[in-house]
Amino acid sequence: NAGVTQTPKFQVLKTGQSMTLQCAQDMNHEYMSWYRQDPGMGLRLIHYSVGAGITDQGEVPNGYNVSRSTTEDFPLRLLSAAPSQTSVYFCASRDGWGADQPQHFGDGTRLSIL
Amino acid sequence: AQSVTQLGSHVSVSEGALVLLRCNYSSSVPPYLFWYVQYPNQGLQLLLKYTTGATLVKGINGFEAEFKKSETSFHLTKPSAHMSDAAEYFCAVSEGGGTSYGKLTFGQGTILTVHP
Repeated sequence: NAGVTQTPKFQVLKTGQSMTLQCAQDMNHEYMSWYRQDPGMGLRLIHYSVGAGITDQGEVPNGYNVSRSTTEDFPLRLLSAAPSQTSVYFCASRDGWGADQPQHFGDGTRLSIL
Repeated sequence: AQSVTQLGSHVSVSEGALVLLRCNYSSSVPPYLFWYVQYPNQGLQLLLKYTTGATLVKGINGFEAEFKKSETSFHLTKPSAHMSDAAEYFCAVSEGGGTSYGKLTFGQGTILTVHP
């Protein structure tokens, strides 16, 4: 089982460039989310989706866009990269909307903005 | 609003010693609590979770955690550390109901080092 697949694994961008981080899951999960991980701050929620066509903001949404056209895919777009967006980005999915269900994480995308 | 505090950003133990990683939470409703482990250059894996019922929860790799409502704590323990336990550990809380859709709030993480 592939689970949650993130691409690319590593990326270096220049300030002002745009890019899309890809996330795909093959578990037919309705709930998907994006987090960023920074040292000493744990993981912080950027955006999430409870199903195709439905997205909402998390704790740190500024500078990021998302869309959810299919159940499987949940891409994260950086519109104009800034050094403050240097981080490790994780995509996760969960079976259903229940808060008691654990999330399944991808291996992350390590992004550096110069 | 929910929040999580992990006491100690770094914990160091000897192989065979007790592992104790501390987690305190704040939640306005009965919480769901999780411990995740992250090995270098990997994503997070679920160790264990508390939803309802028995307050002592057993997870993978010999870890367990006890939900103590009166202390708002969910500390993670393992009787005997192994070198392979070296990783970063995250405590997380989720609230059900309303429009939160079970959003996870993470603690800051604790890096566990195991010495031979």
